[in-house]
Amino acid sequence: GAVVSQHPSRVICKSGTSVKIECRSLDFQATTMFWYRQFPKKSLMLMATSNEGSKATYEQGVEKDKFLINHASLTLSTLTVTSAHPEDSSFYICSARMLEGSYEQYFGPGTRLTVT
Amino acid sequence: GQNIDQPTEMTATEGAIVQINCTYQTSGFNGLFWYQQHAGEAPTFLSYNVLDGLEEKGRFSSFLSRSKGYSYLLLKELQMKDSASYLCAVMDSNYQLIWGAGTKLIIKP
Repeated sequence: GAVVSQHPSRVICKSGTSVKIECRSLDFQATTMFWYRQFPKKSLMLMATSNEGSKATYEQGVEKDKFLINHASLTLSTLTVTSAHPEDSSFYICSARMLEGSYEQYFGPGTRLTVT
Repeated sequence: GQNIDQPTEMTATEGAIVQINCTYQTSGFNGLFWYQQHAGEAPTFLSYNVLDGLEEKGRFSSFLSRSKGYSYLLLKELQMKDSASYLCAVMDSNYQLIWGAGTKLIIKP
């Protein structure tokens, strides 16, 4: 149990276009979903925390107008990278926290974004 | 500020034991997590400690001392597939995870 899916797993897009990444908790309801990005050989960097039905809370330095987060249901959150640039190329990982139980986060498999 | 420290890289031999240390300074404490991450993949959960002491789970054990702000992950009977990065993360008073930079573990035959 506690499976989180992410789609797509890899995406290549051109500069200036927008890309949407989906994060789904498949077999549980998630009170909270988190979006991270990770640069090569670096640790996870929290971008934002989203709770179902409310606005996401962005970490300092993360542009909310560039990284749009929508958390429409207890099982789905989306991250849209708008007007992507090559510096946005990264590994984006979502995680979900269960409605009940411990505060463990379950991670999706990640999305490798390459902006050309 | 909040800080998680763990060694950048460690090397061990197949079949041996390795201990990966993690020290932390955070605003509040609601538990410490260890995750394993293979290259190009998302982290997978290994352990959670919120009370002092040792938690054993098969070949992996995790220890916590809250008074010292210290934890370690112990891996026994190392296998080649254990080559990965090991991430230490502390949940602070706001229930946010504060991540260490990870320890890359290299297993040699």
